[in-house]
Amino acid sequence: DAKTTQPNSMESNEEEPVHLPCNHSTISGTDYIHWYRQLPSQGPEYVIHGLTSNVNNRMASLAIAEDRKSSTLILHRATLRDAAVYYCILRQTYNQGGKLIFGQGTELSVKP
Amino acid sequence: EPEVTQTPSHQVTQMGQEVILRCVPISNHLYFYWYRQILGQKVEFLVSFYNNEISEKSEIFDDQFSVERPDGSNFTLKIRSTKLEDSAMYFCASSARTGGPEAFFGQGTRLTVV
Repeated sequence: DAKTTQPNSMESNEEEPVHLPCNHSTISGTDYIHWYRQLPSQGPEYVIHGLTSNVNNRMASLAIAEDRKSSTLILHRATLRDAAVYYCILRQTYNQGGKLIFGQGTELSVKP
Repeated sequence: EPEVTQTPSHQVTQMGQEVILRCVPISNHLYFYWYRQILGQKVEFLVSFYNNEISEKSEIFDDQFSVERPDGSNFTLKIRSTKLEDSAMYFCASSARTGGPEAFFGQGTRLTVV
């Protein structure tokens, strides 16, 4: 399974944008980039995914480098509720079972 | 909004006892998963299940573990003879088809083996 590298922790101020980086230099052509987050005492929650183009949804934006070796999850206005561990995961869409391999993720803290 | 539900939320069991963790996946989903998270550690994949059989399992998922979909709605994880190191949060997840786009996770069952 292709590996991802994320900073252990990041801090943000409430209502400011947050850019969470992820490096995946060994990504293969069939790997989709998924982001999940885990709020305290809860199960992981899907945030966004993409293949090559930048993606936007109601929760966040995903910016993918042209060579696909890195990506950035963007929270446009952080709220206190966004404090969580954010996981960048590579997943082969057509792999039977479609398991998610979680790393340590980035623990995001949001200051009021 | 549809959700994955898990019961119980917390289970305490004695070492060596059998335990069954229950999950009700989202109704039209086809793929089902169990993950676990030991306190302070990362989320680990255990097993995936599709078309009434295991499609993939990790090294953690040894002979002490089994999964079953006994009817059209429930998905269970059984641990035959629990060990202290089985203490963890167990998450059930489901997805509509291979690769997602997203897997939906339950709130988890905290298993404490004493």
